[in-house]
Amino acid sequence: DAGVIQSPRHEVTEMGQEVTLRCKPISGHNSLFWYRQTMMRGLELLIYFNNNVPIDDSGMPEDRFSAKMPNASFSTLKIQPSEPRDSAVYFCASGAGVSGELFFGEGSRLTVL
Amino acid sequence: GENVEQHPSTLSVQEGDSAVIKCTYSDSASNYFPWYKQELGKRPQLIIDIRSNVGEKKDQRIAVTLNKTAKHFSLHITETQPEDSAVYFCAARGAGANNLFFGTGTRLTVIP
Repeated sequence: DAGVIQSPRHEVTEMGQEVTLRCKPISGHNSLFWYRQTMMRGLELLIYFNNNVPIDDSGMPEDRFSAKMPNASFSTLKIQPSEPRDSAVYFCASGAGVSGELFFGEGSRLTVL
Repeated sequence: GENVEQHPSTLSVQEGDSAVIKCTYSDSASNYFPWYKQELGKRPQLIIDIRSNVGEKKDQRIAVTLNKTAKHFSLHITETQPEDSAVYFCAARGAGANNLFFGTGTRLTVIP
């Protein structure tokens, strides 16, 4: 398996623009997580899905952030409108149930000017 | 929810010395405690984990200890090498839950 695949790897955009980050989890994994990493806050859990259903989105900063998982092999994290404080590395991770480790993607580095 | 605290935030050791990173957690129901290593510009990767029914686990130069009563767990790296330089994150997961709560990370620098 190629592991968790994220795109884009780097995104530079201007304040107010819509940003869509994409993730393909490892085949067979039933849990998918979106994390945000910054120097100040470390790794923050934004939302996670179990069997494509959002379980906990309490970490989503505000209504500008939304996430979907239309099927077992694809998820998106959308920011609309984006702001400079959204600049961070966004990681997607997948896992195989409550007993398995999390496998992280390479991350999407977002810069909002 | 779970709250994981990690110390120290930075740690410098001479090559060959040992390094110890400590974490505490708040939810007594947590039962899975992994450690991730993140090299500069890379993804976090699991290096070792421990479950609540075990007090200690070792894998070559790295070991993890768990004290359930005190709700703390530690990572021990012996005979450190320059390639051990990275940011290390501890994490905890509650019983029946899927999500991991991460500590704030420790930047380890091994000085040759």
